[in-house]
Amino acid sequence: GNSVTQMEGPVTLSEEAFLTINCTYTATGYPSLFWYVQYPGEGLQLLLKATKADDKGSNKGFEATYRKETTSFHLEKGSVQVSDSAVYFCALKADRGSTLGRLYFGRGTQLTVWP
Amino acid sequence: ETGVTQTPRHLVMGMTNKKSLKCEQHLGHNAMYWYKQSAKKPLELMFVYNFKEQTENNSVPSRFSPECPNSSHLFLHLHTLQPEDSALYLCASSLPRQRGDYNEQFFGPGTRLTVL
Repeated sequence: GNSVTQMEGPVTLSEEAFLTINCTYTATGYPSLFWYVQYPGEGLQLLLKATKADDKGSNKGFEATYRKETTSFHLEKGSVQVSDSAVYFCALKADRGSTLGRLYFGRGTQLTVWP
Repeated sequence: ETGVTQTPRHLVMGMTNKKSLKCEQHLGHNAMYWYKQSAKKPLELMFVYNFKEQTENNSVPSRFSPECPNSSHLFLHLHTLQPEDSALYLCASSLPRQRGDYNEQFFGPGTRLTVL
């Protein structure tokens, strides 16, 4: 089946620290991978995505590389800001079968950045 | 209004009450979704509508009843809920499902539901 496992939070960092949020997945076929971000009081927003192995998604200083050999899609940012405080969700999109196109989400990781 | 809006943003109800959640999208999409976001659990897809037709119901209890009168509006009617139904209910929309595949989903801010 399809599933996503991401590191549990909360993650607390000082401003300008390096961020890594781990995400691994289980899937049949060749899913697309996503990171969504949820700011307080708002819905989920797509942050970045990668559709095939070795692709790197990037946006707003965040990056994640689709690693098929390790079934991972870790989120990284070199220097976080207070405004990055949010909940981050890793997700995969199934590419085949009866669940074609459905999104499978991890549980979310709360990030808090202190000035 | 732009994007996907949801009302109310917060709702407290008793187990015997009947209430409805509303979602409206202003993006010209034709597919709409209800998700449940509970603490410490992954997002759960509840229902999917494609061109006003329900295409998925993921074993959701009948105390949740969706309605999609047109492509811009989606409702979730609630009755005789349980305390464990307390959660954030998120609506999303996308371009239509084509050849079985879903397009990128855009989410609303959610309705925080508390069942007493």
